[in-house]
Amino acid sequence: AQSVSQHNHHVILSEAASLELGCNYSYGGTVNLFWYVQYPGQHLQLLLKYFSGDPLVKGIKGFEAEFIKSKFSFNLRKPSVQWSDTAEYFCAVNSNQGGKLIFGQGTELSVKP
Amino acid sequence: GAGVSQSPSNKVTEKGKDVELRCDPISGHTALYWYRQSLGQGLEFLIYFQGNSAPDKSGLPSDRFSAERTGGSVSTLTIQRTQQEDSAVYLCASSLAGRGGETQYFGPGTRLLVL
Repeated sequence: AQSVSQHNHHVILSEAASLELGCNYSYGGTVNLFWYVQYPGQHLQLLLKYFSGDPLVKGIKGFEAEFIKSKFSFNLRKPSVQWSDTAEYFCAVNSNQGGKLIFGQGTELSVKP
Repeated sequence: GAGVSQSPSNKVTEKGKDVELRCDPISGHTALYWYRQSLGQGLEFLIYFQGNSAPDKSGLPSDRFSAERTGGSVSTLTIQRTQQEDSAVYLCASSLAGRGGETQYFGPGTRLLVL
């Protein structure tokens, strides 16, 4: 069955700490991978995505993620978090043909000032 | 430009009543998706419309749920005989053509509470 697993449910960091959020997927065939973010009181918005090419992708606000096909992983990283990064982060996957996104359970990130 | 809009933003209803939720996608987007977000289940896919193709209804949890998309634009999600477990935030998203790798743009959601 298609699934996405995010290992961390709630992460608490101090400002300037480094961040890595884990994401693993189970999906047959070629995939596209996404990280979405939901800031408090706001819509879901795209942070970054991978669909082809360089497996290291850079997104908004200094985030990056690396697609490692052999590990079925797409971990999100940021070298130095800010208080404004406090949000819920969702990893998602869909097939190369497009269509529905399968989401992970989300990781709530709290950054202490 | 205008993003995806949804109405109402909040809906409180009594168990057993029917509700209709509306979504206006981004102009020119041919693909439209409905998801729901609840505490216990996370973000779940419900239904997907792409142009004139038959919709992908594989995520609808029961036959009480239905959706239509008129004129390739506005979509309505209908829940009949609502149950308390239907309480959730219902999210609509749209994308340009439904192709792989496209960004899905999400609306603000409709928060549904079934009493």
